[in-house]
Amino acid sequence: GQNIDQPTEMTATEGAIVQINCTYQTSGFNGLFWYQQHAGEAPTFLSYNVLDGLEEKGRFSSFLSRSKGYSYLLLKELQMKDSASYLCAVMDSNYQLIWGAGTKLIIKP
Amino acid sequence: GAVVSQHPSRVICKSGTSVKIECRSLDFQATTMFWYRQFPKQSLMLMATSNEGSKATYEQGVEKDKFLINHASLTLSTLTVTSAHPEDSSFYICSAGTGLDTEAFFGQGTRLTVV
Repeated sequence: GQNIDQPTEMTATEGAIVQINCTYQTSGFNGLFWYQQHAGEAPTFLSYNVLDGLEEKGRFSSFLSRSKGYSYLLLKELQMKDSASYLCAVMDSNYQLIWGAGTKLIIKP
Repeated sequence: GAVVSQHPSRVICKSGTSVKIECRSLDFQATTMFWYRQFPKQSLMLMATSNEGSKATYEQGVEKDKFLINHASLTLSTLTVTSAHPEDSSFYICSAGTGLDTEAFFGQGTRLTVV
């Protein structure tokens, strides 16, 4: 079967750095996405990785290792507004997105 | 980035009535649209995939007669929840793409409450 695993909840301090991990087992691989979702809102796109390595975009970076079926989202200089759920999703061989359950990130002052 | 507009954002309806949710791609042609639902504290669940001009492909367990999807043009897809019941109350989200996108463009979501 196909599955995406990520921690249910994480807590971090404002100004700090947090890493949210995602491991996956899917039928084929056509890229991995990270989305941010605030409560009651639709997800917004953060990053896309299809090749191994680190993609940096401002305070957010995403890393992929295809051989390990592993990715992480790194958030730096955390702000209170970063409190949200972070969803990992993998596009499989049929170009269908397989979603993780999301990681709820709580930022404390 | 591309814009997908979903309407309405919130709707409350009586049990037994039908509700239509619209999803429009505003500045690109969406050959493929996806409909998801999300229950509180749970992941997005794909309900169906629709391609313009053809019948939608429903995921296992999703009743196609209850959740009617129409993708009549390259910029509009609709989801109609027929004979809604309280258990249909959920957050419904559409996303649109050209089929082989590197990202999916999401609508704002519709919170449906059936009373």
